[in-house]
Amino acid sequence: ETGVTQSPTHLIKTRGQQVTLRCSSQSGHNTVSWYQQALGQGPQFIFQYYREEENGRGNFPPRFSGLQFPNYSSELNVNALELDDSALYLCASSPGTSGISDTQYFGPGTRLTVL
Amino acid sequence: AQKITQTQPGMFVQEKEAVTLDCTYDTSDPSYGLFWYKQPSSGEMIFLIYQGSYDQQNATEGRYSLNFQKARKSANLVISASQLGDSAMYFCAMREPLSSGYSTLTFGKGTMLLVSP
Repeated sequence: ETGVTQSPTHLIKTRGQQVTLRCSSQSGHNTVSWYQQALGQGPQFIFQYYREEENGRGNFPPRFSGLQFPNYSSELNVNALELDDSALYLCASSPGTSGISDTQYFGPGTRLTVL
Repeated sequence: AQKITQTQPGMFVQEKEAVTLDCTYDTSDPSYGLFWYKQPSSGEMIFLIYQGSYDQQNATEGRYSLNFQKARKSANLVISASQLGDSAMYFCAMREPLSSGYSTLTFGKGTMLLVSP
């Protein structure tokens, strides 16, 4: 158990809709990162927040956005869903400021299916 | 160019045997971190072991050890005395500092390990 939780576990949406995924980090973990994992691939970095501010972003369009709250919870929002957005979305928290030795602890993921 | 390369899509091993999962990486930065994660069919990524680029000794965590060969840019995971519960997807990942000052993980495509009785 990593102490990182995500909700919902599974979600089915249709193309064009919007979705919000939620994550609760370990207490004291100031950094949260979100990843997209397509079937048969490794996770791809979406973005990262440190103390409620985005401090890094991967190669994802602006319709992917996020928020981090003071109570160690965070959200990933995706607008105008596309079929290719179907994936496992993983949230990871870490205690530090994302230094090279900072270990990320992952939640169980949310499996999003876009029809 | 791929940052992390895992050339073995799948590996088979018998229970109680040792197995090595390969990982090579590409970076020009002298400071980086290498991680291995296990992902069972349930989906959760489980942290196994970490090796820093400046660490003199190979990392070990219980049955897991990391065979770190810096000159070859390889960081192979060795699992000793395999157990049925080791059957899972295994990912190698690297953290390297970026110009913006933060860093994040870059993952390989993974290796599926199947342990048979």
